[in-house]
Amino acid sequence: EPEVTQTPSHQVTQMGQEVILRCVPISNHLYFYWYRQILGQKVEFLVSFYNNEISEKSEIFDDQFSVERPDGSNFTLKIRSTKLEDSAMYFCASADWEVTYTQYFGPGTRLTVL
Amino acid sequence: QKEVEQNSGPLSVPEGAIASLNCTYSDRGSQSFFWYRQYSGKSPELIMFIYSNGDKEDGRFTAQLNKASQYVSLLIRDSQPSDSATYLCAVGQGGFKTIFGAGTRLFVKA
Repeated sequence: EPEVTQTPSHQVTQMGQEVILRCVPISNHLYFYWYRQILGQKVEFLVSFYNNEISEKSEIFDDQFSVERPDGSNFTLKIRSTKLEDSAMYFCASADWEVTYTQYFGPGTRLTVL
Repeated sequence: QKEVEQNSGPLSVPEGAIASLNCTYSDRGSQSFFWYRQYSGKSPELIMFIYSNGDKEDGRFTAQLNKASQYVSLLIRDSQPSDSATYLCAVGQGGFKTIFGAGTRLFVKA
């Protein structure tokens, strides 16, 4: 069964550094999402992406964040100048909306900012 | 602020019983409704989605939607210890944004 994959599974970085989190969505999906979940808290929407542009973003998704689909398979989240409070699980999801209207989540990347 | 509210639990039920999980949402324009299951340290796993008022059944799971009351529920019949997890209610707004509730922890006692 096709699935969303994410790399790395765990990323440790120093405060102020840039990180890139990578995702490979399900191949026939056209809608892509990033969420984050701080330990013990709820899943929070960051951004959605369709047709090579951002469809919607939350208040969390400020100038520190950017997304890109650099080729036909990868979808990345870049966090510039990381802060301690960026430590969280970051989930990528993809959906085909026209068919099942549901988002399928990857296993997540745990980001630890020291 | 558009919100999705769930009782945090824990909800404890004996094995074989029916577990009932509830969710309310604030945005009347919400169009799609989802239940996800999340085990500790894992990503959300889709259980069911529902778009129309009424009930939708899939195996041991039944989702119920009442848009007038802005209420979504999930019933789990014949609960098993493996059903012990956090259940997340999620509400879709226009297809490009989904808001999650904080989740209800379910514990099924063997």
